[in-house]
Amino acid sequence: DAGITQSPRHKVTETGTPVTLRCHQTENHRYMYWYRQDPGHGLRLIHYSYGVKDTDKGEVSDGYSVSRSKTEDFLLTLESATSSQTSVYFCAINKGKDGYTFGSGTRLTVV
Amino acid sequence: DQQVKQNSPSLSVQEGRISILNCDYTNSMFDYFLWYKKYPAEGPTFLISISSIKDKNEDGRFTVFLNKSAKHLSLHIVPSQPGDSAVYFCAARAGGTSYGKLTFGQGTILTVHP
Repeated sequence: DAGITQSPRHKVTETGTPVTLRCHQTENHRYMYWYRQDPGHGLRLIHYSYGVKDTDKGEVSDGYSVSRSKTEDFLLTLESATSSQTSVYFCAINKGKDGYTFGSGTRLTVV
Repeated sequence: DQQVKQNSPSLSVQEGRISILNCDYTNSMFDYFLWYKKYPAEGPTFLISISSIKDKNEDGRFTVFLNKSAKHLSLHIVPSQPGDSAVYFCAARAGGTSYGKLTFGQGTILTVHP
């Protein structure tokens, strides 16, 4: 979807290093979310945002932090990457009556 | 605690036949349910949804049924096509001040054979 982009699309990083994933939207929506997808678990909510500087934890937030200094950008940071954080990460925006739109994902490998 | 469950990891059907994907939930606060389809290397895309005030919603080949008393929903695809082969996720949203958070099931891999 042209309204939401994630970067990078792929990343390999070493254990213990910090990593930041970026989600950018062009449509000025208030609610944004970070999910991770793992086999057997579906998509699980990491953190979400309900406005600039307003964020809260999801069900799997340990080891992650987020920031939203502008409406259009929602950043996910792995403070010290571990192998258990190897996953595919999806950002989503809530477009109200038009539903939810997901980004194309970031495949992160922690070695 | 898995609040949304898809107990079938995979489903295989012949082209032209019906595909039925199932989903169970435990949280009675859920009032809106959605189905997403996901192809490899892409993000999930919205397929169909249903509000808890309805028991059926139809969109072309796709129909979602909701049984609130059983806390069960199903997605019917008729007729199934090879292009429907993908991972299907059901998702649920609680009403009130949930900030629109979605809770997803584990997904079901649908394979439609020509």
